[in-house]
Amino acid sequence: DQQVKQNSPSLSVQEGRISILNCDYTNSMFDYFLWYKKYPAEGPTFLISISSIKDKNEDGRFTVFLNKSAKHLSLHIVPSQPGDSAVYFCAASISGAGNNRKLIWGLGTSLAVNP
Amino acid sequence: KAGVTQTPRYLIKTRGQQVTLSCSPISGHRSVSWYQQTPGQGLQFLFEYFSETQRNKGNFPGRFSGRQFSNSRSEMNVSTLELGDSALYLCASSLIGHEGYTFGSGTRLTVV
Repeated sequence: DQQVKQNSPSLSVQEGRISILNCDYTNSMFDYFLWYKKYPAEGPTFLISISSIKDKNEDGRFTVFLNKSAKHLSLHIVPSQPGDSAVYFCAASISGAGNNRKLIWGLGTSLAVNP
Repeated sequence: KAGVTQTPRYLIKTRGQQVTLSCSPISGHRSVSWYQQTPGQGLQFLFEYFSETQRNKGNFPGRFSGRQFSNSRSEMNVSTLELGDSALYLCASSLIGHEGYTFGSGTRLTVV
C-alpha cells in the first residue's frame, strides 16, 4: 500500500513556464514533508520541506504548498529551467516508536524542461 | 566538507553470491540509512543505523543486513543474491535523522 503517491510518472514543461509536481498521501499522522531531486547516476539531493503546521514554504524558484484537508502537496517551480530536468521525489515523515521518525517516499516524477 | 561516499560505484555479482557495500557518512553525522532504488519501485527503505544501533528497518528479507561502526561508517550485506536484487543502493547520512539527509551517489549492483 503506497502511503505517498506521485500519480504522474513524468511531466514535460517548456522553459520559462511553471512546473507543478503533485503528491498525495493517505496517513494523516504525517507531520513533515520533503522534496528531493535526483539526477541520473547521482543520489537524491534535498530541495525543500514543509511542516504540517504550515501551508506554504518558499525558497527562490521553488514553492511547496500543503493542503492537509485534501492530504495533498505540490511543488511549484517558477520559472522552469532546463537544469531542473530530473526526477523529483516527495517524502513524508512520521514519528514512530521511541521517538524515531520514519520517512515514506513516493515513486518519483520525472520532469523534463524543454528549451 | 566531504560528502557521503559509497564504494564501490559499480558491482557485478552472480546469483547465489554475497556482497558487501560500504558507506562513509559526512563527518559528524551519526545517522546512516540505506535505500534500494529500482525502476517502478522508487526508493525502498532498507534500514537506519544511529550510534551503531539499528533503529528502523524496512520490509526486506533477512538476506539484507547491515551494521554501523563506531566511526559511523556503515556496511550493508546481501547474501544469496537473486536477480531481483539488481538495483541502485543508496546510503544517506544526517545528524540525527532523515531531515537534512545527504545521499551518496549509490552503488549500482547487477546480479547475473
